[in-house]
Amino acid sequence: DAGVIQSPRHEVTEMGQEVTLRCKPISGHNSLFWYRQTMMRGLELLIYFNNNVPIDDSGMPEDRFSAKMPNASFSTLKIQPSEPRDSAVYFCASSPDKGYGYTFGSGTRLTVV
Amino acid sequence: AQSVTQPDIHITVSEGASLELRCNYSYGATPYLFWYVQSPGQGLQLLLKYFSGDTLVQGIKGFEAEFKRSQSSFNLRKPSVHWSDAAEYFCAVGATGGFKTIFGAGTRLFVKA
Repeated sequence: DAGVIQSPRHEVTEMGQEVTLRCKPISGHNSLFWYRQTMMRGLELLIYFNNNVPIDDSGMPEDRFSAKMPNASFSTLKIQPSEPRDSAVYFCASSPDKGYGYTFGSGTRLTVV
Repeated sequence: AQSVTQPDIHITVSEGASLELRCNYSYGATPYLFWYVQSPGQGLQLLLKYFSGDTLVQGIKGFEAEFKRSQSSFNLRKPSVHWSDAAEYFCAVGATGGFKTIFGAGTRLFVKA
């Protein structure tokens, strides 16, 4: 199994530009999570899906952030427009069920200049 | 709502010495409990998990953790630390009624020769 695959690994963009982060979860995992990690705030849950349906997006910081999961094998996190304070490492994780723990991807390091 | 506290921001131990990382949680019932490890530039990796049964759980890489309900604690231990164990360790708590997992702020482990 290739694990959770995220792309790109690194993204540098200018303020105001649109950024799209991608995630392919492990096949058979029915839950997918997007986290953001910064030194100041640690790991923050942004949104999670169960069976491709968004369950809790209360962690999405602003309307500039949106996430989709059009099918069981793909999810995107979009920031439009991006701002320097969005600079962070964004992780995608998937899980087969409650209590199993997560498998994390390697993350996307986003830098907004 | 659940919460988790890791009192130690960083810990330094000598190679070969024993290790204990502290974790305290808050939750109304018995939660799902997890420990993850993160090496620099990598995603988080699940070390071990607990929900029910034996309160001493074994994980990968020689780690174990003990659930103590009376103390609301789930401390991580290793009898002999190796230099490769230097990383950041995260305790996490999940609600049994849902998929959401909350992570602690992390404890950075330094290993000295």
